[in-house]
Amino acid sequence: ILNVEQSPQSLHVQEGDSTNFTCSFPSSNFYALHWYRWETAKSPEALFVMTLNGDEKKKGRISATLNTKEGYSYLYIKGSQPEDSATYLCASLIKAAGNKLTFGGGTRVLVKP
Amino acid sequence: NAGVTQTPKFRVLKTGQSMTLLCAQDMNHEYMYWYRQDPGMGLRLIHYSVGEGTTAKGEVPDGYNVSRLKKQNFLLGLESAAPSQTSVYFCASSYSRQGSQPQHFGDGTRLSIL
Repeated sequence: ILNVEQSPQSLHVQEGDSTNFTCSFPSSNFYALHWYRWETAKSPEALFVMTLNGDEKKKGRISATLNTKEGYSYLYIKGSQPEDSATYLCASLIKAAGNKLTFGGGTRVLVKP
Repeated sequence: NAGVTQTPKFRVLKTGQSMTLLCAQDMNHEYMYWYRQDPGMGLRLIHYSVGEGTTAKGEVPDGYNVSRLKKQNFLLGLESAAPSQTSVYFCASSYSRQGSQPQHFGDGTRLSIL
């Protein structure tokens, strides 16, 4: 079974604080790692697509890193704001899985004012 | 910009009834996907399509059928609905199946089977 795991499942952050969370994926036959932001009652929206070991991507206060050799990616939120409250999904494209995205269970972030 | 549009948004069915969920995209994407999302679980792939006239099974295909007669549309059918198929269904599309391009999602269809 090729699992993509995210931790923690949920976290509460005080407004203004920074936070980060993890996506773990099988490192063999890796092709790409996606991050999505999913607000309640909306559809998931793509944040980043990362393919190279050592990749770092940034969009505003959100950034992500990728380590394909050890099979993990971190998502960072700097200076969290209430509008950052959402579930953050990662998904890995693994060649052994027939080139289909396998999603993790998500990290639900709640930013408290 | 419409993007990916799913209809209907909500539906309640009785066990044994059939229905079709429609997904339409206006981005000229080759690849389309149907996922289901259940509490405590990530998005799970039901079926996908790599182009007009082609479909393939995903992780949880049993009880579902799909068709891609037109490039812009991807239909998900339930022939005989079961309570286990109560879920939120998401359609997505992408330019590339190789994963280097993000998937674009619809707003979801909430389906309840009584």
